[in-house]
Amino acid sequence: DAGVIQSPRHEVTEMGQEVTLRCKPISGHDYLFWYRQTMMRGLELLIYFNNNVPIDDSGMPEDRFSAKMPNASFSTLKIQPSEPRDSAVYFCASSLWGGATEQFFGPGTRLTVL
Amino acid sequence: DAKTTQPNSMESNEEEPVHLPCNHSTISGTDYIHWYRQLPSQGPEYVIHGLTSNVNNRMASLAIAEDRKSSTLILHRATLRDAAVYYCILNTGNQFYFGTGTSLTVIP
Repeated sequence: DAGVIQSPRHEVTEMGQEVTLRCKPISGHDYLFWYRQTMMRGLELLIYFNNNVPIDDSGMPEDRFSAKMPNASFSTLKIQPSEPRDSAVYFCASSLWGGATEQFFGPGTRLTVL
Repeated sequence: DAKTTQPNSMESNEEEPVHLPCNHSTISGTDYIHWYRQLPSQGPEYVIHGLTSNVNNRMASLAIAEDRKSSTLILHRATLRDAAVYYCILNTGNQFYFGTGTSLTVIP
């Protein structure tokens, strides 16, 4: 398996633009997680899905952020409109089951909002 | 509200053992303790996890205090490839709470 795949790897956009980050989890994994990493706040969980259903989105910073998982092999994290403070590395992770099961992380998308 | 506390940085000589400490005084009875590490420009990767008993795997050992309020990740022989940020994480339900991590420098 290729592991968790994220695209794009780098994204530079201007304030106010819509940004869409994409993730393909490991096949057969039932859980998918979106994290954000910044120097100030470290690694934070934004939202996670179980069997394509959002379970907990309490980490989503505000209504400008939305995430979807239309099928078991694809998820998106959208920011509209983007702001400079959204600049961060966004990671997607997947796991076979929930709980204490190992999470496999993708390489991340480095987002810069000018 | 930090759930885990780790030193910001540590150094180790190559091929020496490394003990990375973590305090988690607010741990609950069902919380697992995980360790992940993050190499530069990569996503975090799993190292080891445990609940109450000490654990060993090919990468490391995890020593958990009897009261579970602290734990120590042990790398038996540090190599240059072990230079990374090591995160001590409490796992509550389906959520992982990452701390600030310890940046490990391995000196050749």
